[in-house]
Amino acid sequence: AQSVSQHNHHVILSEAASLELGCNYSYGGTVNLFWYVQYPGQHLQLLLKYFSGDPLVKGIKGFEAEFIKSKFSFNLRKPSVQWSDTAEYFCAVIPLNTGFQKLVFGTGTRLLVSP
Amino acid sequence: DTAVSQTPKYLVTQMGNDKSIKCEQNLGHDTMYWYKQDSKKFLKIMFSYNNKELIINETVPNRFSPKSPDKAHLNLHINSLELGDSAVYFCASSQDQGDTIYFGEGSWLTVV
Repeated sequence: AQSVSQHNHHVILSEAASLELGCNYSYGGTVNLFWYVQYPGQHLQLLLKYFSGDPLVKGIKGFEAEFIKSKFSFNLRKPSVQWSDTAEYFCAVIPLNTGFQKLVFGTGTRLLVSP
Repeated sequence: DTAVSQTPKYLVTQMGNDKSIKCEQNLGHDTMYWYKQDSKKFLKIMFSYNNKELIINETVPNRFSPKSPDKAHLNLHINSLELGDSAVYFCASSQDQGDTIYFGEGSWLTVV
């Protein structure tokens, strides 16, 4: 089945460590790609998105992601995490060559940053 | 000014009851959605409306009935609530299909 995979379900890092969260999707054709963050007890907020152009996109709070079309990947990175980055991170994809374009989420990665 | 607002934020109710969650967006978007987040944090689309017309219905039990009186509102009515309906329900909107989706703050539903 077509899907979005986030291989890391739980990640624990110390402050100042570098972060990379993996995201792979299985849809062929053109896709729009997103990373959303959900802080504890809060709603989903958009971190960054890729529609076209430069495959390296920068988002809020120092996050960036790289779209590698050949690998069907859109990994999220941050060079130095902070305690306040503790949250759930969701990769999401909208496949554009389908009849109804809907946002499909990965299963999420829970990041815990220890001070 | 909240872009996508939904009420109530918290709802505790007994099995068998009927309840509604209201959603409004002031972004001028044409498309609105309901997503369900289960206890494992998994997010799945339930419904999508474009200009008041239903365009996505993801095999949701017919106890769930969305209603869109106008393109700025998408309400969710749930009949005969079951324990398994306990979840967080997120309303969302986008300008069009394929565009960035903006989420409301969620409605935490607990069925006891």
